[in-house]
Parts: sequence; C-alpha cells; structure tokens
Amino acid sequence: GNSVTQMEGPVTLSEEAFLTINCTYTATGYPSLFWYVQYPGEGLQLLLKATKADDKGSNKGFEATYRKETTSFHLEKGSVQVSDSAVYFCALPREAGTALIFGKGTTLSVSS
Amino acid sequence: DTAVSQTPKYLVTQMGNDKSIKCEQNLGHDTMYWYKQDSKKFLKIMFSYNNKELIINETVPNRFSPKSPDKAHLNLHINSLELGDSAVYFCASSQDAAGGPAEQYFGPGTRLTVT
Repeated sequence: GNSVTQMEGPVTLSEEAFLTINCTYTATGYPSLFWYVQYPGEGLQLLLKATKADDKGSNKGFEATYRKETTSFHLEKGSVQVSDSAVYFCALPREAGTALIFGKGTTLSVSS
Repeated sequence: DTAVSQTPKYLVTQMGNDKSIKCEQNLGHDTMYWYKQDSKKFLKIMFSYNNKELIINETVPNRFSPKSPDKAHLNLHINSLELGDSAVYFCASSQDAAGGPAEQYFGPGTRLTVT
C-alpha cells in the first residue's frame, strides 16, 4: 500500500537559515502529495500540495516539487523565521479512499 | 466562523468511564474523518464517513464507536476508557472530487487524558 517516509527531527535552525525537510513516498500511481503544518496547540493546516508529477507547490515561502523519478516531495524554505517553528507532516492519500497517510512529523525550532 | 470545531478541547477522565467527543463542520463537505495523534505526534486515521455512511474503519477497538447524525456532524463515543486511549483526537473534513483527494480541514483537536 501507499506509504510515506519523512526525515526525523528535531531540526533546530537560526533565523534566516535554509530549511530542507526530506520526504519520500511509495504509491500506486501518482497520487496528490501534501505538506501540512501543526503550530503548537493547534490542529493541522495545509501548507502546500502538488497534484501531479513535476508540479511545484508553494505557500508562505515554502516550496516542494513532486519528483516521480526519486519518489520525493522535499519541503524547502530559503530563509526561516521564528514563526515557522512548528511540526511539519508530509502526507499522501491511502490507495483506496481519501483518508491521508502521514509521515511521522518533523519538529522545526527556529531561534532568533 | 470556525470551519471545523470540536468539543471539548480538553477531556480528563478516569479509566473505565465512557466519554464522547463532538465535531461539526460548516464547510458543506461530504466527507469527515477522525484521526488519532499519539504522544510522539504520529497521526493515524481511525474512521471516515461520506454522507453519513461509514467508509473507513481501521483496526480500532470496538470500544470506539463513531456516529454521523448528518453530514455536518461526526461524533466519537468511547466506552470503558483505557490509559492507552490518551491522545489528541482530530476531526477533519474534505470535499472530494473525481480528480482525487482534496485538502482536508482539521479541527483544533481534543486532548484526552485517561488517569
């Protein structure tokens, strides 16, 4: 079945540093891929998504490109801020139905 | 207006008790979900309903019983609570189309602590 593997954290960065969080997937076909973010004490919210190969999703300075050759969807940001401190989840749909399978989450801490 | 709301936000109870968590969405979505997030932040689907019909029922103890009185509401009742049920429970909803799964909107979560 579909699965997702995400780099483990925590990731600790200084403000304005470059961020990469790795995500690789195994899937039947080419499902949509998602990054969700969970700020402390809150529910998850969609950060960005890509619906087909070579698509680039972007939002709030974050980007991820759907790469079928490497089955990857790595999250990047050129200059992180303290307000980006959160847990980031890579996700894709189950092979049947619409529920999501989440990676284990990567905790990002950004200090000023 | 809150898109997906859950009550209560915090629930502290003793082992053996029965409790319910309620979820409501005002987005007009057809599909609703319950996810469980453990202490290590790992998220896993428990149940999914589409237009009040149960679609997904993962390997969850039958002490957990979801109910969807209408497509805007999805409740979760838990009988005989155990220590291992302590977690954060998230409700979510989506409006899915032929093109594939759409964005899921999550509620703020219910932190259940069983003592």
